[in-house]
Amino acid sequence: GDSVTQMEGPVTLSEEAFLTINCTYTATGYPSLFWYVQYPGEGLQLLLKATKADDKGSNKGFEATYRKETTSFHLEKGSVQVSDSAVYFCALGTQGGSEKLVFGKGTKLTVNP
Amino acid sequence: GAVVSQHPSWVICKSGTSVKIECRSLDFQATTMFWYRQFPKQSLMLMATSNEGSKATYEQGVEKDKFLINHASLTLSTLTVTSAHPEDSSFYICSARGPPGNEQFFGPGTRLTVL
Repeated sequence: GDSVTQMEGPVTLSEEAFLTINCTYTATGYPSLFWYVQYPGEGLQLLLKATKADDKGSNKGFEATYRKETTSFHLEKGSVQVSDSAVYFCALGTQGGSEKLVFGKGTKLTVNP
Repeated sequence: GAVVSQHPSWVICKSGTSVKIECRSLDFQATTMFWYRQFPKQSLMLMATSNEGSKATYEQGVEKDKFLINHASLTLSTLTVTSAHPEDSSFYICSARGPPGNEQFFGPGTRLTVL
């Protein structure tokens, strides 16, 4: 079945460091791919998404490119801030959209000043 | 942006009792609501999908008689954990989806502890 594997956390970085959180997926068909972020005490929020191969999703300085050849959707940010501390979830949407979401386990990011 | 609330945010109950969790879309009409369960250090697992006015569709392995879902209006869905046991202790998260865009908007979750 469809699945998402993302790097285990927690990840601890200093402010202005480069961030990469790896995400790979297994799916039939052509899923959409998402990154969600969950700040403490809040619900998951959509950070960015890509709906087809080679698409790049971007938001708030974060980027991820849909790589069909490597079945990956790695999250990157060039310079993290303390306010980026949160849990990040990679997900795929079956049936080409967000009809059903399959999530990775989440990666907790802590950014220290 | 679209806001989804859950109530209560946490609940502790005795084994054998039933617990109801509410999920509300506050500023949009949710044609579809989803219920997820999350164990510590695990991913969110979809339990069921409900459309307003119709019966919920449960994922394989989820007991529909134990996890009762009602989606009576376009802004409210409820999950009732019947005869709860300690193994039902978990973090329950709902999401709601409605036009435009069909994006899922998530609630903050409900922590259930069964003693």
